[in-house]
Amino acid sequence: EDQVTQSPEALRLQEGESSSLNCSYTVSGLRGLFWYRQDPGKGPEFLFTLYSAGEEKEKERLKATLTKKESFLHITAPKPEDSATYLCAVQARGNAGNMLTFGGGTRLMVKP
Amino acid sequence: DTGVSQDPRHKITKRGQNVTFRCDPISEHNRLYWYRQTLGQGPEFLTYFQNEAQLEKSRLLSDRFSAERPKGSFSTLEIQRTEQGDSAMYLCASRKETKAFFGQGTRLTVV
Repeated sequence: EDQVTQSPEALRLQEGESSSLNCSYTVSGLRGLFWYRQDPGKGPEFLFTLYSAGEEKEKERLKATLTKKESFLHITAPKPEDSATYLCAVQARGNAGNMLTFGGGTRLMVKP
Repeated sequence: DTGVSQDPRHKITKRGQNVTFRCDPISEHNRLYWYRQTLGQGPEFLTYFQNEAQLEKSRLLSDRFSAERPKGSFSTLEIQRTEQGDSAMYLCASRKETKAFFGQGTRLTVV
């Protein structure tokens, strides 16, 4: 069974204090690893898809990296508007429907 | 706005009542998914459609739940005889190729 574990569950940062969020996964053949941002009371907003170990993608202050067992979301010099829950999800290779298995998320709070 | 649209955004119902939610996917997206998310947890897969065909259902989807996607366009999710444990955010997503886009969700509260 595919599993995704995210850590920490919650993270408080001062504005400008860089850090990383972790996503560890177990999957029967990875087709893709996805990062989403979710604001309170809203649906997840797509950020990145990573497909193979060593791949990196960047968007503004966010950079996602992937190894064979985990992914990191690096946040450089965060701002208060980066406060949200960040969700990681995997899609397995044998999964004909391409549905996603999500982790529990990391709640990020950035204080000014 | 050409994103995934869900209606209603919020629903409060009494235990035992039936409720129905609607999802309008991004046009031309042939795959549509329903997920459920409880507070502090990630979304969990419920069911998915390719065009009008419902191809997979999670074991989370009890026989009180039914979903349809007539003509391969919008989809509805009905919950019969609601229970307090059904209280959650119900998310719809549509997909084309590699990206899945989510709607804003319907927050269900069963009292």
